[in-house]
Amino acid sequence: GIQVEQSPPDLILQEGANSTLRCNFSDSVNNLQWFHQNPWGQLINLFYIPSGTKQNGRLSATTVATERYSLLYISSSQTTDSGVYFCAVLPFGNEKLTFGTGTRLTIIP
Amino acid sequence: DTGVSQDPRHKITKRGQNVTFRCDPISEHNRLYWYRQTLGQGPEFLTYFQNEAQLEKSRLLSDRFSAERPKGSFSTLEIQRTEQGDSAMYLCASSPRRLAGGRNEQFFGPGTRLTVL
Repeated sequence: GIQVEQSPPDLILQEGANSTLRCNFSDSVNNLQWFHQNPWGQLINLFYIPSGTKQNGRLSATTVATERYSLLYISSSQTTDSGVYFCAVLPFGNEKLTFGTGTRLTIIP
Repeated sequence: DTGVSQDPRHKITKRGQNVTFRCDPISEHNRLYWYRQTLGQGPEFLTYFQNEAQLEKSRLLSDRFSAERPKGSFSTLEIQRTEQGDSAMYLCASSPRRLAGGRNEQFFGPGTRLTVL
């Protein structure tokens, strides 16, 4: 099956810093989603981005489908950004999202 | 538009007992998914429904697990004779009806955290 790798596994930053999270995947995909999992376990949809670039406030994402990677940018980090960020992909003709192992982000005041 | 809801949010049970979880998808979403997440891992697919039809099951779904979506609305996931290895977060997701090639974004509920003692 498709492989999804995220880097870095852990990231500790001071409040106000910027960060870039990466997601590599091993095959063509029909869907790519970025999620933020909060401390209570809820997966919050950040972006639906099978290709191209999107921005939502301090967050933006870029997927280069031909090169099989996606990047999530977080600018001016706040403590509420802490948590685990997951990338998940849906191969063509498939209904099951395959998740990466996540990046744990800790923002220090 | 309310999100996906799950009940209960937490369940503690003794090994060997049966448990049942419920998921209510976003209204008019015809696809419903169950995933399982263990500590330190990303969620893993268990099964999915299109309307009331269960179209795919993972090998993770042993014979002790059964899922239903009898009227194409809410779904239940039952685990019989629970084992300590079943302890995990069980997540439900839904996605809307779409035309071929259309957007297939999945939206997740808050999850049911199961602890088997």
